[in-house]
Amino acid sequence: EVQLVQSGAEVKKPGATVKISCKVSGYTFTDYYMHWVQQAPGKGLEWMGLVDPEDGETIYAEKFQGRVTITADTSTDTAYMELSSLRSEDTAVYYCATGVWVLDYWGQGTLVTVSS
Amino acid sequence: QSALTQPASVSGSPGQSITISCTGTSSDVGGYNYVSWYQQHPGKAPKLMIYEVSNRPSGVSNRFSGSKSGNTASLTISGLQAEDEADYYCSSYTSSSTPHVVFGGGTKLTVL
Repeated sequence: EVQLVQSGAEVKKPGATVKISCKVSGYTFTDYYMHWVQQAPGKGLEWMGLVDPEDGETIYAEKFQGRVTITADTSTDTAYMELSSLRSEDTAVYYCATGVWVLDYWGQGTLVTVSS
Repeated sequence: QSALTQPASVSGSPGQSITISCTGTSSDVGGYNYVSWYQQHPGKAPKLMIYEVSNRPSGVSNRFSGSKSGNTASLTISGLQAEDEADYYCSSYTSSSTPHVVFGGGTKLTVL
């Protein structure tokens, strides 16, 4: 059974950095990209970027370029998403999801609250 | 990186069929067969319902079907059931600027 288990909720102050983890099981980590998706409260899904765990190559959405870093640790089958210079608009649930250009399996989501 | 265009809401009665549209461009929906549809219930993670325009993952009801014509993809749900009430999102691979994924704005389905 494919499982993506994300780290727990975070509360951060404006300007801080958050790093969320996504540990996978049930498939070969390096076979598929790992995507990250943002969902602000009451809003839709927004694609943030992806990492290819095979070689560490990344692609980021223009909106998040320069603030987001996505990495993959093949020794622990875990992907990470780091978002810096946090502002109130970054308050959202963040999902990891695996697949190539189809997001086949999703993590449970991690709520990040940005508040002073 | 513009989002794909979906209607904000659709509704239908139990047993009826509904269709949700997803309009993009020749750089995304119209240019590739990597259109997917996701169902999201409140407080839950999205779930893949349709991939590559018209394919259903194992375990997804055959009441869900997908199609595409030109730059517009569609999700049809037949025999509506109460548990189908959810938000639905389309997505597509796009080659605009760098290769990436783009989502639609989402459609709220209400089962009357």
